[in-house]
Amino acid sequence: EVQLVESGGGLVQPGGSLRLSCAASGFTVSTNYMSWVRQAPGKGLEWVSVIYSGNYIFYADSVKGRFTISRDSSKNTVYLQMNRLRADDTAVYYCTRGVGGGFDIWGQGTMVTVSS
Amino acid sequence: QSALTQPPSASGSPGQSVTISCTGTSSDVRYYNFVSWYQQHPGKAPILIIYDVNKRPSGVPDRFSGSKSGSTASLTVSGLQAEDEADYYCSSFVGRNNFNVFGGGTRLTVL
Repeated sequence: EVQLVESGGGLVQPGGSLRLSCAASGFTVSTNYMSWVRQAPGKGLEWVSVIYSGNYIFYADSVKGRFTISRDSSKNTVYLQMNRLRADDTAVYYCTRGVGGGFDIWGQGTMVTVSS
Repeated sequence: QSALTQPPSASGSPGQSVTISCTGTSSDVRYYNFVSWYQQHPGKAPILIIYDVNKRPSGVPDRFSGSKSGSTASLTVSGLQAEDEADYYCSSFVGRNNFNVFGGGTRLTVL
């Protein structure tokens, strides 16, 4: 079965760090482009970052310089390292697989709350 | 990159058809044939229902269809059913660097 399972969310203080993990099954992350998409409480969807199969990496302006996407092919897992977290980073973070210009497989999401 | 524009709400009665619009610019919707639509029920992850403007993933009913004219994409839901009540988001590819932009979402109510 093709699926994505995120983990690593939680409560963190402003300025802190978290690392999210996204374990894939049923397909290989290294031959697909993988993205993180987030959704603040009661708000819409926001693309965060993408890693292409050729290791090209891009970020939304709102997280550039603070977040780092990576993958471990041996574990078939994608990561999102989030540093210098702010209150407006509070959201459910979804790991997704890319198709065309969109996302065909979504994980169940992991909640990140930035609060003192 | 600015968000795509969707109406905040739409509604229809069971069996009717409803169309949700998604307006972008010459840099996204008009330029690329990579518009996708997602359905999201409360507390659940989004589900892809249309990609590449008008293609349906396997398992998505053919009651859902997509189209595009100029800078505006549209999602049509025909034969509305109670389970279609959800939030719908459009998105467009905007180039390799910025990758993707979403619309603000439309809440579809089945009356």
